[in-house]
Amino acid sequence: DVKVTQSSRYLVKRTGEKVFLECVQDMDHENMFWYRQDPGLGLRLIYFSYDVKMKEKGDIPEGYSVSREKKERFSLILESASTNQTSMYLCASSSQRGDRAYGYTFGSGTRLTVV
Amino acid sequence: EDQVTQSPEALRLQEGESSSLNCSYTVSGLRGLFWYRQDPGKGPEFLFTLYSAGEEKEKERLKATLTKKESFLHITAPKPEDSATYLCAVQADDYKLSFGAGTTVTVRA
Repeated sequence: DVKVTQSSRYLVKRTGEKVFLECVQDMDHENMFWYRQDPGLGLRLIYFSYDVKMKEKGDIPEGYSVSREKKERFSLILESASTNQTSMYLCASSSQRGDRAYGYTFGSGTRLTVV
Repeated sequence: EDQVTQSPEALRLQEGESSSLNCSYTVSGLRGLFWYRQDPGKGPEFLFTLYSAGEEKEKERLKATLTKKESFLHITAPKPEDSATYLCAVQADDYKLSFGAGTTVTVRA
């Protein structure tokens, strides 16, 4: 019954490495999002996408990029990992139909540690 | 800019001791207010959506209410399994959710 799948639960990477976090949803949702979650700061939006090959910056895009080549897949890329990118990363998706507000379905998260 | 403030940051309850969590918000054009539950090391799990002032939703021991400026999540006779972090979020016209920092609830047996 898994609907939003993040490829890794835990990752440990070295400073300077290029890191790929993958997210796949099986609900045919148009919207996909990447957040990071840190104690005391809550969830902060990194990037989002409303359609294939479309991306928009969120509140904290610096040091990150994204790719959405297929509707069901949204990848977050850390171009050169740094220790301040150690965090819990959450992927989410949502539907987009008319004016109704639909909440997100979240993945289980990836806890990334950069050493 | 949308703002969501949750209080208190942490809440410790005895089993059976009812209480309320607050979520105050400022947003231009509210499309919906959402409550999520998050267990340690897991992603948030959807609880409720509220769309307009005066609306109420219930699920087991949880009841969410909405006014024009804030929402409350009431926990009635909580059990230890209700221990979690509860997140509030608002959605404006652009489909993005803005989250509060959450309230961590601990229920002791």
